[in-house]
Amino acid sequence: DTAVSQTPKYLVTQMGNDKSIKCEQNLGHDTMYWYKQDSKKFLKIMFSYNNKELIINETVPNRFSPKSPDKAHLNLHINSLELGDSAVYFCASRGSGFLTDTQYFGPGTRLTVL
Amino acid sequence: AQSVTQPDIHITVSEGASLELRCNYSYGATPYLFWYVQSPGQGLQLLLKYFSGDTLVQGIKGFEAEFKRSQSSFNLRKPSVHWSDAAEYFCAVGLYNAGNMLTFGGGTRLMVKP
Repeated sequence: DTAVSQTPKYLVTQMGNDKSIKCEQNLGHDTMYWYKQDSKKFLKIMFSYNNKELIINETVPNRFSPKSPDKAHLNLHINSLELGDSAVYFCASRGSGFLTDTQYFGPGTRLTVL
Repeated sequence: AQSVTQPDIHITVSEGASLELRCNYSYGATPYLFWYVQSPGQGLQLLLKYFSGDTLVQGIKGFEAEFKRSQSSFNLRKPSVHWSDAAEYFCAVGLYNAGNMLTFGGGTRLMVKP
């Protein structure tokens, strides 16, 4: 009954490969996010989707492409992986409305690019 | 653009001692304020949040935080630290707009001495 789940938990791959990270939430939330946490633990927003529509797209290389097949899923596809993409990627979701303005985070996916 | 500063990168306290983690934000209006905790290898767990009203908010695990508008601060406190509190703590601000993205501080790593 995990609220926000991500797969895989760990991902080790070679430079130049294409990989995807999946995120699912069973909270019935409308908005989902991807955050990147670098090696210094700094967390930064990457994307936000609301009801399958892109809302926020921070300065992220276009090698990163989020895809939301439905409201409960927001997947992150990364093309031509680079060493600098190594990080922990967190998915989060948020309900709509004032009283539900809290983001719930998934457990993270640690991506290592060799 | 809003920003969040956590001045202390590392803090070490003895078990049973009191704790205060500092957080300052920069924003033109009162944002929504959050504290998250990240245990080693884990995702982010919400400790507490402030939206409006009483400036002293209670959270889980015995934590509390006080919003001080005049100081643009939202410091986290706990009267008696337990060894299991050792973790990374993140302060974050959110804006109630279409995206409501969170801007995180750099984090404070708490170490607890026996």
